[in-house]
Amino acid sequence: QSVLTQPPSVSAAPGQKVTISCSGTSSNIGSNYVSWYQQLPGTAPKLLLYDNNRRSSGIPDRFSGSKSGTSATLAITGLQTGDEADYYCGTWDSSLTIGVFGTGTKVTVL
Amino acid sequence: QLQLQESGPGLVKPSETLSLTCTVSGGSISSSSYYWGWVRQPPGKGLEWIADAYSGGITYYNPALSSRVTISVHTSKNQFTLRLSSVTAADTAVYYCARHVEDDSGSSHWIHPWGQGTLVTVSS
Repeated sequence: QSVLTQPPSVSAAPGQKVTISCSGTSSNIGSNYVSWYQQLPGTAPKLLLYDNNRRSSGIPDRFSGSKSGTSATLAITGLQTGDEADYYCGTWDSSLTIGVFGTGTKVTVL
Repeated sequence: QLQLQESGPGLVKPSETLSLTCTVSGGSISSSSYYWGWVRQPPGKGLEWIADAYSGGITYYNPALSSRVTISVHTSKNQFTLRLSSVTAADTAVYYCARHVEDDSGSSHWIHPWGQGTLVTVSS
């Protein structure tokens, strides 16, 4: 069961921008940093961003993140066909004392 | 570069215990600031954090699974293990082992890297 809420899907044409929201509560996003993961079809998740907006090694600056209160956002600019994947937000829940993930968002390049 | 590899049975009978091992290469499992954990993903569904363990003995369990889960770190083998008892079909999933990074403030957590995952099916 996912604790963080994301839209099921977003889509845009190549070269355009998409944003993915991640909504939580004061015990998770509200008090901890957020990370984002990309899961290409049939593969393991891969770290994209950590500390809300810091890119993991090798991740292009087309991927950016932000956080405000109990919500976070992932933005992908200059959308490419290779960006088609499922994207998950994640953070620590200080009440549950375990990590939690978002429900996942499928990005489709039209 | 750090790599993690899961191993264990791909088929487990209902009511039995699922046991998986994660072998870490390219780095020491005794490194500070790192937890070692398990995440699972039922077919076609999202990610679920199962458990974390620190080489010093601290463990964290998902409350929804805590009565059935045990995670252990074996520093001499550079491995950590997951045991999930009394499994049902709902436990069928791809199980990933991963390194959980926590910064000194305790408020920054992320998972990197991930193992490739292993599918475990619960069926008689």
